[in-house]
Amino acid sequence: DAKTTQPPSMDCAEGRAANLPCNHSTISGNEYVYWYRQIHSQGPQYIIHGLKNNETNEMASLIITEDRKSSTLILPHATLRDTAVYYCIATADYNFNKFYFGSGTKLNVKP
Amino acid sequence: GAVVSQHPSRVICKSGTSVKIECRSLDFQATTMFWYRQFPKQSLMLMATSNEGSKATYEQGVEKDKFLINHASLTLSTLTVTSAHPEDSSFYICSARDLGVPRSTEAFFGQGTRLTVV
Repeated sequence: DAKTTQPPSMDCAEGRAANLPCNHSTISGNEYVYWYRQIHSQGPQYIIHGLKNNETNEMASLIITEDRKSSTLILPHATLRDTAVYYCIATADYNFNKFYFGSGTKLNVKP
Repeated sequence: GAVVSQHPSRVICKSGTSVKIECRSLDFQATTMFWYRQFPKQSLMLMATSNEGSKATYEQGVEKDKFLINHASLTLSTLTVTSAHPEDSSFYICSARDLGVPRSTEAFFGQGTRLTVV
């Protein structure tokens, strides 16, 4: 699996968009980019994933650069409940979601 | 959506005893489940891949004789921490993916089990 690099922490004002970057410069053509988040002392929660195209669901948007070497998770209107550690993971589909987690980004949403 | 349930959510045990943690897929079948461990203020670390009907595959550095994994059915995997010591105190989390749903690529995580060895 490709190694991912994320900033250790970010702050965001409540109601504003939170843009979380992830670098995966060694990603292979068959590796998806997954985003999960973990609120303190809970299991990780799925947010979104993509391969090449940008994706959007009810929680977030995922923007993947054309060369696929980096991506950005966008939470359009952050709330205090979005405070969590966000993990970006690259893995091939045939691994059936065997994830090697990096250190993630601690997002602090402030009032 | 699919649910993965872990039991117990918290357990305290004495040093030297064994503890079993269950991971169940409640509304789907999972031929493969994964076990992770998370120490305070650290990320999740993959411990092993649990395969239904066959032996588990352990990550490098994880003692297979200490962390026994059994995946006897398509909905249940168990992790037994044998002869637990205080350094085994951690947050243990399992995950699974519903391979029966076409185009499903989302993994579901359990709520985790907090193990404290005293």
